[in-house]
Amino acid sequence: GNSVTQMEGPVTLSEEAFLTINCTYTATGYPSLFWYVQYPGEGLQLLLKATKADDKGSNKGFEATYRKETTSFHLEKGSVQVSDSAVYFCALTYGGSQGNLIFGKGTKLSVKP
Amino acid sequence: GAGVSQTPSNKVTEKGKYVELRCDPISGHTALYWYRQSLGQGPEFLIYFQGTGAADDSGLPNDRFFAVRPEGSVSTLKIQRTERGDSAVYLCASSLGRGERYEQYFGPGTRLTVT
Repeated sequence: GNSVTQMEGPVTLSEEAFLTINCTYTATGYPSLFWYVQYPGEGLQLLLKATKADDKGSNKGFEATYRKETTSFHLEKGSVQVSDSAVYFCALTYGGSQGNLIFGKGTKLSVKP
Repeated sequence: GAGVSQTPSNKVTEKGKYVELRCDPISGHTALYWYRQSLGQGPEFLIYFQGTGAADDSGLPNDRFFAVRPEGSVSTLKIQRTERGDSAVYLCASSLGRGERYEQYFGPGTRLTVT
């Protein structure tokens, strides 16, 4: 079936460290891929997305590239800040889901000053 | 502007009771989704409304779960004969339409605890 697997957390980094959160997917057809973020006490927010192979989504210094050959959509940021502390969810939609999001389990990131 | 709101923020109920969870979407958003997020898991799709009708209820786990959206705006998720396994955060999202072109905006969720 269609699914998303992301690296387990929690991830703890020092400020200005490089961040990678791995995400791989299984899907029929050509899914669209998303990263959502949930800051403490807030609702899920769309961080970035990519709708076709080789597309790069970017926002707030975060980037992820849709890699069809490795079925991956890893999230990266060159220099994290304390304010990036949150839970990050990788997700997909595909033709059959018609917009219903399929999420990974989430990765909690803590950034220490 | 106002985002998606959900009430109550927390609900504790006894096993076997009936509960209603409310979602107030962003004004003008015709598409509305309900998801359920169990502890340590990502959100899972429950049901989708386009306007007043439930266009896709394939994610509802069983017939104890039901949702309505009578006027095409506010939606209520109803759970009958609650079980401890229903304990989760119930999320509502709204969007201008259905499909990956339309960003889903999520509410803060209702944390349901069944004792």
